[in-house]
Amino acid sequence: GAVVSQHPSRVICKSGTSVKIECRSLDFQATTMFWYRQFPKQSLMLMATSNEGSKATYEQGVEKDKFLINHASLTLSTLTVTSAHPEDSSFYICSARDRDSYNEQFFGPGTRLTVL
Amino acid sequence: GQQLNQSPQSMFIQEGEDVSMNCTSSSIFNTWLWYKQDPGEGPVLLIALYKAGELTSNGRLTAQFGITRKDSFLNISASIPSDVGIYFCAGQVPDKIIFGKGTRLHILP
Repeated sequence: GAVVSQHPSRVICKSGTSVKIECRSLDFQATTMFWYRQFPKQSLMLMATSNEGSKATYEQGVEKDKFLINHASLTLSTLTVTSAHPEDSSFYICSARDRDSYNEQFFGPGTRLTVL
Repeated sequence: GQQLNQSPQSMFIQEGEDVSMNCTSSSIFNTWLWYKQDPGEGPVLLIALYKAGELTSNGRLTAQFGITRKDSFLNISASIPSDVGIYFCAGQVPDKIIFGKGTRLHILP
């Protein structure tokens, strides 16, 4: 149980375009989902916390107008990188907290974004 | 802000050796977590610790939650090739998980 998927697993886009990444909890309902960014050989850094039906909470230094988060249902959150630039190239990982298991977060497999 | 100091940054060991890594923090955490991340994948939870002083095992892995709630260690016994990867400690506060910088484990043939 407790599987989180991400789509796509890899995406390459041109500078200036927007990219949408989906995060789904496949077998549980997630009232809260989290978005992390991981640069090569670095740790996971929390970007934002997304609560179903409300606005996301962004960490300090993360531009909310650039990284749009939507959590429209209990099983789906999306991250849209708007007007992507090469410095946005990174590994984006989501996690989901099971509504019935407050403490535990389950991580997705990640999405590799490359901006040319 | 809350930061976790994880050491060592990397380790090169022979197959069959035991491994030890640790994590310290300037802040108290009520939950300590240890994850493993393989290249190009998301982190996978290895062990969760919920009580100060708690010692928990998962197969060849053993982790302890420090008494002060500011540190934790992870031991791997009799390492095997599939243990290669990055190990992250993490502290959990009510609304988020804070990750250490990771320990890269390399196993020499």
